[in-house]
Amino acid sequence: GAVVSQHPSRVICKSGTSVKIECRSLDFQATTMFWYRQFPKQSLMLMATSNEGSKATYEQGVEKDKFLINHASLTLSTLTVTSAHPEDSSFYICSVGEPNQPQHFGDGTRLSIL
Amino acid sequence: DAKTTQPTSMDCAEGRAANLPCNHSTISGNEYVYWYRQIHSQGPQYIIHGLKNNETNEMASLIITEDRKSSTLILPHATLRDTAVYYCIVSMDTGRRALTFGSGTRLQVQP
Repeated sequence: GAVVSQHPSRVICKSGTSVKIECRSLDFQATTMFWYRQFPKQSLMLMATSNEGSKATYEQGVEKDKFLINHASLTLSTLTVTSAHPEDSSFYICSVGEPNQPQHFGDGTRLSIL
Repeated sequence: DAKTTQPTSMDCAEGRAANLPCNHSTISGNEYVYWYRQIHSQGPQYIIHGLKNNETNEMASLIITEDRKSSTLILPHATLRDTAVYYCIVSMDTGRRALTFGSGTRLQVQP
């Protein structure tokens, strides 16, 4: 069965809207979750590492004020794309890792900003 | 994490074995070889991983050379549903570390 649940699977919204994406760990408590982004015909790129109870760690070039990450519990991390614009349209994917176990991924959220 | 090199694309006939190679010549002693695949518009799916011994599970087999500088993922009887991009990733404990995805190999299973 699924280890990671990600919602919504698809979002279409107007420019300027803020969009929240949820990532849930179903099988275990996750102190660390990862957020990736994938543009068309490209590979996955890490955006940020979400740490339960502390601030997320962002990769170089990812605006922390635009991509807000909240990891308030051991089973839930959220990514909010604030004031989204067409260039933010992408496939956003979360993953969950447990020590000494393979990382597992959600099914992704396809975000389309009109 | 060590860098990996994979062919850009491969074709395989349905029902035949698909053998996907990966070079990781700079792998260090405590790094594992992980294989994931991504079917179109889905998140990556874990397939298998290994350190130095060959591994087999219900999805695939992983053959790692004795010097650990290369490996091969084997799908014993490929089906159309195996059409995907396959990623070979070298990393220490991926439970704690983000994964670095290369370009992968696009496997097309032909009917």
